Amino acid sequence: DAKTTQPNSMESNEEEPVHLPCNHSTISGTDYIHWYRQLPSQGPEYVIHGLTSNVNNRMASLAIAEDRKSSTLILHRATLRDAAVYYCILKRNSGYALNFGKGTSLLVTP
Amino acid sequence: SQTIHQWPATLVQPVGSPLSLECTVEGTSNPNLYWYRQAAGRGLQLLFYSVGIGQISSEVPQNLSASRPQDRQFILSSKKLLLSDSGFYLCAWAPGLAGSTEQFFGPGTRLTVL
Repeated sequence: DAKTTQPNSMESNEEEPVHLPCNHSTISGTDYIHWYRQLPSQGPEYVIHGLTSNVNNRMASLAIAEDRKSSTLILHRATLRDAAVYYCILKRNSGYALNFGKGTSLLVTP
Repeated sequence: SQTIHQWPATLVQPVGSPLSLECTVEGTSNPNLYWYRQAAGRGLQLLFYSVGIGQISSEVPQNLSASRPQDRQFILSSKKLLLSDSGFYLCAWAPGLAGSTEQFFGPGTRLTVL
Protein backbone atom coordinates (compact mmCIF):
# COMPACT_ATOMS: atom_id res chain seq x y z
CA ASP A 1 0.00 0.00 0.00
CA ALA A 2 1.12 3.53 -0.71
CA LYS A 3 2.41 5.50 2.26
CA THR A 4 1.06 8.72 3.75
CA THR A 5 2.97 11.46 5.57
CA GLN A 6 1.35 13.66 8.21
CA PRO A 7 2.72 16.15 10.74
CA ASN A 8 3.11 14.63 14.19
CA SER A 9 1.06 17.32 15.89
CA MET A 10 -0.93 20.49 15.29
CA GLU A 11 -2.59 23.02 17.52
CA SER A 12 -5.71 25.07 16.96
CA ASN A 13 -7.86 27.53 18.86
CA GLU A 14 -11.43 26.65 19.60
CA GLU A 15 -13.96 27.78 16.98
CA GLU A 16 -11.21 28.35 14.41
CA PRO A 17 -10.92 26.29 11.20
CA VAL A 18 -8.30 23.55 11.15
CA HIS A 19 -6.51 22.27 8.06
CA LEU A 20 -4.84 18.90 8.54
CA PRO A 21 -2.48 18.04 5.69
CA CYS A 22 -1.55 14.64 4.29
CA ASN A 23 1.00 13.83 1.61
CA HIS A 24 0.65 10.69 -0.48
CA SER A 25 2.95 11.13 -3.44
CA THR A 26 2.91 7.43 -4.40
CA ILE A 27 -0.87 7.12 -4.50
CA SER A 28 -2.22 4.84 -7.21
CA GLY A 29 -5.29 5.40 -9.32
CA THR A 30 -7.39 2.92 -7.34
CA ASP A 31 -6.50 4.26 -3.89
CA TYR A 32 -9.22 6.00 -1.91
CA ILE A 33 -8.18 8.58 0.68
CA HIS A 34 -9.73 7.86 4.06
CA TRP A 35 -9.62 9.86 7.27
CA TYR A 36 -10.28 8.45 10.70
CA ARG A 37 -9.84 10.00 14.10
CA GLN A 38 -9.20 8.49 17.50
CA LEU A 39 -10.23 10.18 20.71
CA PRO A 40 -8.28 9.28 23.85
CA SER A 41 -8.89 5.72 25.08
CA GLN A 42 -11.37 5.00 22.31
CA GLY A 43 -11.36 3.16 19.02
CA PRO A 44 -10.99 5.13 15.79
CA GLU A 45 -14.04 6.54 14.08
CA TYR A 46 -14.57 7.22 10.41
CA VAL A 47 -14.49 10.86 9.37
CA ILE A 48 -14.60 11.07 5.58
CA HIS A 49 -13.20 9.57 2.40
CA GLY A 50 -12.78 10.54 -1.25
CA LEU A 51 -11.20 9.57 -4.55
CA THR A 52 -10.73 12.64 -6.74
CA SER A 53 -13.35 15.26 -5.96
CA ASN A 54 -13.64 17.31 -2.81
CA VAL A 55 -16.10 15.86 -0.30
CA ASN A 56 -18.21 17.33 2.47
CA ASN A 57 -20.12 15.71 5.29
CA ARG A 58 -21.45 16.75 8.67
CA MET A 59 -18.09 16.21 10.35
CA ALA A 60 -15.58 17.69 7.93
CA SER A 61 -14.52 18.49 4.39
CA LEU A 62 -11.87 16.75 2.35
CA ALA A 63 -9.92 18.72 -0.22
CA ILE A 64 -7.95 16.60 -2.68
CA ALA A 65 -5.20 18.07 -4.83
CA GLU A 66 -5.66 17.84 -8.58
CA ASP A 67 -2.71 15.44 -8.91
CA ARG A 68 -3.98 13.49 -5.86
CA LYS A 69 -0.56 13.56 -4.25
CA SER A 70 -1.85 15.40 -1.23
CA SER A 71 -5.09 16.07 0.60
CA THR A 72 -6.34 18.23 3.44
CA LEU A 73 -8.93 17.46 6.07
CA ILE A 74 -10.80 20.60 7.05
CA LEU A 75 -12.63 21.02 10.34
CA HIS A 76 -14.62 24.19 9.85
CA ARG A 77 -14.92 25.16 13.50
CA ALA A 78 -12.78 23.22 15.92
CA THR A 79 -14.27 22.31 19.27
CA LEU A 80 -12.59 20.85 22.33
CA ARG A 81 -14.19 17.52 21.43
CA ASP A 82 -12.24 17.50 18.16
CA ALA A 83 -8.98 16.97 20.04
CA ALA A 84 -7.85 13.58 18.76
CA VAL A 85 -5.32 11.78 16.59
CA TYR A 86 -6.28 12.11 12.92
CA TYR A 87 -5.21 9.39 10.53
CA CYS A 88 -4.93 9.75 6.76
CA ILE A 89 -5.09 6.30 5.12
CA LEU A 90 -4.96 5.09 1.54
CA LYS A 91 -7.13 2.10 0.76
CA ARG A 92 -7.60 0.31 -2.53
CA ASN A 93 -11.21 -0.17 -3.50
CA SER A 94 -10.58 -3.90 -3.77
CA GLY A 95 -8.82 -4.09 -0.43
CA TYR A 96 -10.11 -5.13 2.95
CA ALA A 97 -7.71 -3.63 5.45
CA LEU A 98 -6.81 -0.17 6.72
CA ASN A 99 -3.15 0.49 7.45
CA PHE A 100 -2.92 3.18 10.10
CA GLY A 101 0.20 5.28 10.41
CA LYS A 102 1.06 7.50 13.37
CA GLY A 103 -1.39 10.25 12.44
CA THR A 104 -1.54 13.87 13.55
CA SER A 105 -2.32 14.67 17.15
CA LEU A 106 -4.60 17.71 17.19
CA LEU A 107 -4.67 19.89 20.28
CA VAL A 108 -7.56 22.34 20.57
CA THR A 109 -7.20 25.12 23.08
CA PRO A 110 -10.00 27.30 24.46
CA SER B 1 -28.66 -0.85 14.17
CA GLN B 2 -25.31 -2.57 14.40
CA THR B 3 -23.29 -2.84 17.58
CA ILE B 4 -19.91 -4.33 18.36
CA HIS B 5 -18.94 -5.72 21.73
CA GLN B 6 -15.57 -6.56 23.19
CA TRP B 7 -14.69 -8.14 26.48
CA PRO B 8 -13.11 -7.88 28.83
CA ALA B 9 -12.59 -4.13 28.94
CA THR B 10 -9.36 -4.44 30.89
CA LEU B 11 -7.12 -7.39 31.65
CA VAL B 12 -3.94 -7.90 33.64
CA GLN B 13 -2.12 -11.14 32.92
CA PRO B 14 1.25 -12.60 33.92
CA VAL B 15 3.89 -13.40 31.32
CA GLY B 16 3.45 -16.91 29.97
CA SER B 17 -0.27 -17.11 30.67
CA PRO B 18 -2.86 -17.75 27.93
CA LEU B 19 -5.11 -15.11 26.42
CA SER B 20 -8.58 -15.08 24.95
CA LEU B 21 -10.28 -11.88 23.83
CA GLU B 22 -13.73 -12.00 22.33
CA CYS B 23 -15.50 -9.73 19.89
CA THR B 24 -19.10 -10.04 18.73
CA VAL B 25 -21.13 -8.01 16.27
CA GLU B 26 -24.89 -7.61 16.27
CA GLY B 27 -27.29 -6.37 13.64
CA THR B 28 -25.43 -7.40 10.50
CA SER B 29 -24.55 -10.54 8.56
CA ASN B 30 -21.36 -11.66 6.83
CA PRO B 31 -19.24 -8.81 8.17
CA ASN B 32 -15.52 -8.50 7.63
CA LEU B 33 -13.87 -8.63 11.04
CA TYR B 34 -10.56 -7.19 12.18
CA TRP B 35 -8.19 -7.26 15.15
CA TYR B 36 -5.85 -4.30 15.73
CA ARG B 37 -3.34 -3.60 18.47
CA GLN B 38 -2.09 -0.24 19.68
CA ALA B 39 1.00 -0.29 21.84
CA ALA B 40 1.52 2.63 24.22
CA GLY B 41 2.25 5.83 22.29
CA ARG B 42 2.09 4.13 18.91
CA GLY B 43 -0.28 3.81 15.98
CA LEU B 44 -2.70 0.99 15.28
CA GLN B 45 -1.27 -2.22 13.90
CA LEU B 46 -3.52 -4.59 11.97
CA LEU B 47 -3.09 -8.11 13.35
CA PHE B 48 -5.74 -10.24 11.64
CA TYR B 49 -8.76 -9.91 9.44
CA SER B 50 -11.47 -12.33 8.38
CA VAL B 51 -13.90 -12.24 5.46
CA GLY B 52 -15.85 -15.32 6.54
CA ILE B 53 -16.19 -18.18 9.03
CA GLY B 54 -12.91 -20.01 9.38
CA GLN B 55 -11.09 -17.59 7.05
CA ILE B 56 -8.26 -15.74 8.78
CA SER B 57 -5.58 -13.55 7.23
CA SER B 58 -2.57 -12.73 9.37
CA GLU B 59 -0.79 -9.45 8.84
CA VAL B 60 1.99 -9.76 11.40
CA PRO B 61 3.65 -13.05 12.45
CA GLN B 62 3.74 -13.36 16.23
CA ASN B 63 2.56 -15.49 19.10
CA LEU B 64 -1.06 -14.46 18.63
CA SER B 65 -3.75 -16.30 16.68
CA ALA B 66 -7.31 -15.53 15.66
CA SER B 67 -10.37 -17.64 15.05
CA ARG B 68 -13.85 -17.03 13.70
CA PRO B 69 -16.08 -19.87 14.90
CA GLN B 70 -19.31 -18.08 14.03
CA ASP B 71 -20.30 -15.44 11.50
CA ARG B 72 -20.31 -12.57 14.00
CA GLN B 73 -17.74 -13.80 16.51
CA PHE B 74 -14.02 -13.12 16.34
CA ILE B 75 -11.57 -14.38 18.95
CA LEU B 76 -7.97 -13.38 19.58
CA SER B 77 -5.83 -15.90 21.45
CA SER B 78 -2.37 -16.61 22.71
CA LYS B 79 -0.93 -19.69 24.36
CA LYS B 80 1.82 -17.77 26.19
CA LEU B 81 1.78 -14.02 26.60
CA LEU B 82 4.91 -11.89 26.27
CA LEU B 83 5.56 -8.52 27.86
CA SER B 84 5.45 -7.02 24.38
CA ASP B 85 1.83 -8.16 24.00
CA SER B 86 0.69 -5.36 26.29
CA GLY B 87 -1.48 -2.83 24.52
CA PHE B 88 -4.92 -1.69 23.52
CA TYR B 89 -6.68 -4.34 21.42
CA LEU B 90 -9.42 -3.19 19.10
CA CYS B 91 -11.91 -5.24 17.15
CA ALA B 92 -13.61 -3.73 14.12
CA TRP B 93 -16.19 -4.76 11.57
CA ALA B 94 -17.06 -3.61 8.07
CA PRO B 95 -19.78 -4.59 5.60
CA GLY B 96 -18.73 -7.73 3.78
CA LEU B 97 -17.59 -6.02 0.62
CA ALA B 98 -14.00 -5.52 -0.50
CA GLY B 99 -14.73 -1.94 -1.41
CA SER B 100 -16.61 -1.06 1.75
CA THR B 101 -15.66 2.37 2.91
CA GLU B 102 -16.01 2.38 6.66
CA GLN B 103 -14.82 0.23 9.54
CA PHE B 104 -16.60 0.40 12.87
CA PHE B 105 -14.51 -0.10 15.97
CA GLY B 106 -15.39 -1.63 19.31
CA PRO B 107 -14.58 -0.12 22.71
CA GLY B 108 -11.31 -2.06 23.01
CA THR B 109 -9.56 -4.22 25.60
CA ARG B 110 -6.63 -2.80 27.50
CA LEU B 111 -4.19 -5.65 28.19
CA THR B 112 -1.30 -5.35 30.61
CA VAL B 113 1.19 -8.21 30.75
CA LEU B 114 3.33 -8.22 33.89
